[in-house]
Amino acid sequence: QVHLQESGPGLVKPSETLSLTCTVSGGSMSNYYWSWIRQPPGKGLEWIGYIYYSGNTDYNPSLKSRVTISVETSKNQFYLQVTSVTAADTAVYYCARVGGGYLPPLDYWGQGILVTVSS
Amino acid sequence: DIQMTQSPYSLSASVGDRVTITCRASRSISTYLNWYQQKPGRAPDLLIYTESNLQSGVPSRFSGSGSGIDFTLTISSLQPEDIATYYCQQSFSLPYTFGQGTKLEI
Repeated sequence: QVHLQESGPGLVKPSETLSLTCTVSGGSMSNYYWSWIRQPPGKGLEWIGYIYYSGNTDYNPSLKSRVTISVETSKNQFYLQVTSVTAADTAVYYCARVGGGYLPPLDYWGQGILVTVSS
Repeated sequence: DIQMTQSPYSLSASVGDRVTITCRASRSISTYLNWYQQKPGRAPDLLIYTESNLQSGVPSRFSGSGSGIDFTLTISSLQPEDIATYYCQQSFSLPYTFGQGTKLEI
């Protein structure tokens, strides 16, 4: 059973950089895409982007200028950085695996981590 | 981007009721439509993928149908543990997009 766990600071100051780590256990990162999704309090889900285990990335155009996703398969981890954060970036951030097959769903999710942007 | 629109926004039903939630895409997504269940304070869980395939462990009272732009999630006999918010999501093209969610209450 694949398990994902987000970690990182729960509080970030405006204009600074949000940095999160997702640790994958119970399975290999190989041959899968790994994704970040966020959910502002009381609101819906927004896909941030994903990374293939080999390092290829794709981002939501709405966030592309501020987002970087990277991976370190030797540590079974992938990462999210969001620069120049504002209060609008306050959200629960989830990491998830993009499943196998053609045009697959997000089949395994972490429990999520609340990140608050505030001075 | 493909816009996903769910209806209703919220729904109140009784135990044993048949419940239907709809999701409409702004353009055709073939059958690449997925449904997730999110309980309060929890991460979303995959329920149904590629329009009608039940994820392992999901009760058979859940079913999905549709193709093109119109899709439906049906719960054949509502149980108390089904209280949650349900989201549709298209995996047809990037960026992935989600519906706004349907909150199901008893």
